[in-house]
Amino acid sequence: SQQGEEDPQALSIQEGENATMNCSYKTSINNLQWYRQNSGRGLVHLILIRSNEREKHSGRLRVTLDTSKKSSSLLITASRAADTASYFCASPGDYGQNFVFGPGTRLSVLP
Amino acid sequence: DTAVSQTPKYLVTQMGNDKSIKCEQNLGHDTMYWYKQDSKKFLKIMFSYNNKELIINETVPNRFSPKSPDKAHLNLHINSLELGDSAVYFCASSQDRPGTGVLYGYTFGSGTRLTVV
Repeated sequence: SQQGEEDPQALSIQEGENATMNCSYKTSINNLQWYRQNSGRGLVHLILIRSNEREKHSGRLRVTLDTSKKSSSLLITASRAADTASYFCASPGDYGQNFVFGPGTRLSVLP
Repeated sequence: DTAVSQTPKYLVTQMGNDKSIKCEQNLGHDTMYWYKQDSKKFLKIMFSYNNKELIINETVPNRFSPKSPDKAHLNLHINSLELGDSAVYFCASSQDRPGTGVLYGYTFGSGTRLTVV
């Protein structure tokens, strides 16, 4: 079953603006992760947030986690054209043995 | 140094053929995975191995057979290829171990784009 669902499916912004992507998941988690995929490339791990954390920062990235709503958000501040990519959230699958990925948000940052 | 390397990057083959995709990681990770990404970007787990042992085998046709000669390698062999097998296949590895849940990030290879004609 699809565990994480990102929203929106696609997002187009101007360089310098902030981009916010949301993710909802279904079951209990011990952590949630965000990945980036540039066109034609593999996924790159961006940030991991544990279930006892509410917010985490890494450079221009800010991730929040609300376990009561089973949701997470990824904020990219002061976006750049190089941030153009698909962003995926990943949460543990039903048996906790692997990550299940959402369908991703396709972000386009226009110069 | 490439952490997780897959070969080949592109594979075009005819229906009915048998093909293999190789994956190697030099991170010392115990667990390796195969994921399939379809044309709509959905990533779905296929297999997971921990130290050469099969951990996860999702509902994948038995035409797909993973092989792990050692914990640094996880190859994927596909028999009797079908049009619906066309996708991008990703290998990944992590420090996770069976029974501890998924605690660490994955390192992905750059993918193998398989096209069956």
